[in-house]
Amino acid sequence: AQKVTQAQTEISVVEKEDVTLDCVYETRDTTYYLFWYKQPPSGELVFLIRRNSFDEQNEISGRYSWNFQKSTSSFNFTITASQVVDSAVYFCALNAGYSSASKIIFGSGTRLSIRP
Amino acid sequence: GAVVSQHPSWVICKSGTSVKIECRSLDFQATTMFWYRQFPKQSLMLMATSNEGSKATYEQGVEKDKFLINHASLTLSTLTVTSAHPEDSSFYICSADVSAYNEQFFGPGTRLTVL
Repeated sequence: AQKVTQAQTEISVVEKEDVTLDCVYETRDTTYYLFWYKQPPSGELVFLIRRNSFDEQNEISGRYSWNFQKSTSSFNFTITASQVVDSAVYFCALNAGYSSASKIIFGSGTRLSIRP
Repeated sequence: GAVVSQHPSWVICKSGTSVKIECRSLDFQATTMFWYRQFPKQSLMLMATSNEGSKATYEQGVEKDKFLINHASLTLSTLTVTSAHPEDSSFYICSADVSAYNEQFFGPGTRLTVL
């Protein structure tokens, strides 16, 4: 079975605080992709990152960073020095089978609110 | 990157009518497209996988006679919600497989409201 769990339903922090969004996944496949998407109020999904199962290197992009640990099946997302514009729903997702023609399974999402 | 469009972006219809939503890949050909549904404050759930020239594969619990999918060309897939009811009100999002990049690209979504 394939599953993505985002245990944090909602998070609210004050601007400039750091915040980490947790993601735990389940799959029996040895090759897979993991994703993070941002969904602002407009509804359109914004792609943030894709990580393949063979690459456990952490990644940093500006204020965003991702920590992928296969040993704990986790793919956590940290926003440093959060800003109000970061307020959105964030989805972690899994594409098992290592093919873009395979379906993507989404977690339940974490609603992030950044207070000024 | 590849661009996927959806039309309309929003639609309001009366209960019992049918609504067609289009998903187009603008600058690439997509053999496979996916349709997702998202109810308010919930996650995206895959409804069906659409392959050009063949019948769509529906996820468990999705009524194929109610949600008709047609993928007649490599750049267009359509989802028709037949005899729509208020419980079908949702945000429908498509994605297209770009095999050359081994990636899926998502459309902007269509918000359906059934009165």
